[in-house]
Amino acid sequence: QKEVEQNSGPLSVPEGAIASLNCTYSDRGSQSFFWYRQYSGKSPELIMFIYSNGDKEDGRFTAQLNKASQYVSLLIRDSQPSDSATYLCAVNRWRNTGFQKLVFGTGTRLLVSP
Amino acid sequence: DTAVSQTPKYLVTQMGNDKSIKCEQNLGHDTMYWYKQDSKKFLKIMFSYNNKELIINETVPNRFSPKSPDKAHLNLHINSLELGDSAVYFCASSQQGRNQETQYFGPGTRLLVL
Repeated sequence: QKEVEQNSGPLSVPEGAIASLNCTYSDRGSQSFFWYRQYSGKSPELIMFIYSNGDKEDGRFTAQLNKASQYVSLLIRDSQPSDSATYLCAVNRWRNTGFQKLVFGTGTRLLVSP
Repeated sequence: DTAVSQTPKYLVTQMGNDKSIKCEQNLGHDTMYWYKQDSKKFLKIMFSYNNKELIINETVPNRFSPKSPDKAHLNLHINSLELGDSAVYFCASSQQGRNQETQYFGPGTRLLVL
């Protein structure tokens, strides 16, 4: 079982729709969770992070975390063609050394059609 | 101002050569990372340094040798390059400490080994 799992997609949604991206993780000790967006040929850029169970909203983006189910998701409302990218879920684990390690999923490719 | 910068941006070289990639961050962070992103876009951590001290050393061939002369710089030297080393190498930085560990990525170095 991979530490962080995502559906590779592509996930295709029409412009204006809600895109729902999902991620599951295997380590119950994981403390913090991140969503990065990566455009083709570019570096990952942070969209949101979430530490506590529940929802966290930032503009058109909502991150949802359910630690009991080991599940984190990202909702994008009013999807735009410019949202077309690969979305990487990342899970941070604090190791017994006292330092963090970020483990990435393989990413979900989102395509928003005009 | 560029937060995390890498040089070179592109690197094309022959098998068996030795090459170096450099990274610098001006965010004042205490921790820096090297990631490898392969052709399937999977982003995997290779090394991490905290205040010039190696704290993460994943299963990476010993042809790869990182060096951190100070906490703002992290270099990666690769000996005897192989075809399988072709990938995009990303540098990242963060500040250790709970709830502030977001990692910021550099633009990447695209390495092609012929």
